[in-house]
Amino acid sequence: TQLLEQSPQFLSIQEGENLTVYCNSSSVFSSLQWYRQEPGEGPVLLVTVVTGGEVKKLKRLTFQFGDARKDSSLHITAAQPGDTGLYLCAGTGTSYGKLTFGQGTILTVHP
Amino acid sequence: EAGVVQSPRYKIIEKKQPVAFWCNPISGHNTLYWYRQNLGQGPELLIRYENEEAVDDSQLPKDRFSAERLKGVDSTLKIQPAELGDSAVYLCASSLEMDNEQFFGPGTRLTVL
Repeated sequence: TQLLEQSPQFLSIQEGENLTVYCNSSSVFSSLQWYRQEPGEGPVLLVTVVTGGEVKKLKRLTFQFGDARKDSSLHITAAQPGDTGLYLCAGTGTSYGKLTFGQGTILTVHP
Repeated sequence: EAGVVQSPRYKIIEKKQPVAFWCNPISGHNTLYWYRQNLGQGPELLIRYENEEAVDDSQLPKDRFSAERLKGVDSTLKIQPAELGDSAVYLCASSLEMDNEQFFGPGTRLTVL
């Protein structure tokens, strides 16, 4: 069974601060995705990374896939209250098309 | 284009009662997924359909859970009888094909008393 561990589980910060969320596994993933989920809604895909060492930027969000494709990070610069939500990483491993999710990081950005 | 539609949005039942959830995927999406998300956790796959065929149901508790996807479009997930531990959000997702981006519905929040 492929597991993904996210840290931290909870993050409470002030507007304007920077933060990093980590997603780690002992298994290799062919691709890794980051989702954001708001209360009462389903997860929404933010980005997919597929190449070891890949870095993708989405406005103030920077995503990195580890060289060995076992870990990933999400960095948010100058967080805003609108960034508040549950951030989930999910990996595709040996089972084609099957996503394994991490337990999520609940981010709260205070104005 | 309409997203994935789920109903009901909320359901409260007593233990041992049956319950059913309905999902209408995005038009043209061949692959449909049912996930369960416990409070404070990430979603866990219950079953995956490719058209009307269940291609991965290894995580579905088959003693009380059943699912169907007639005609390869809409799908229903049933629990009978429900237990206290079944309280969770049940998410439906769809994708054009396997390994394509999955689009999630808003989920059904089930509370078993």
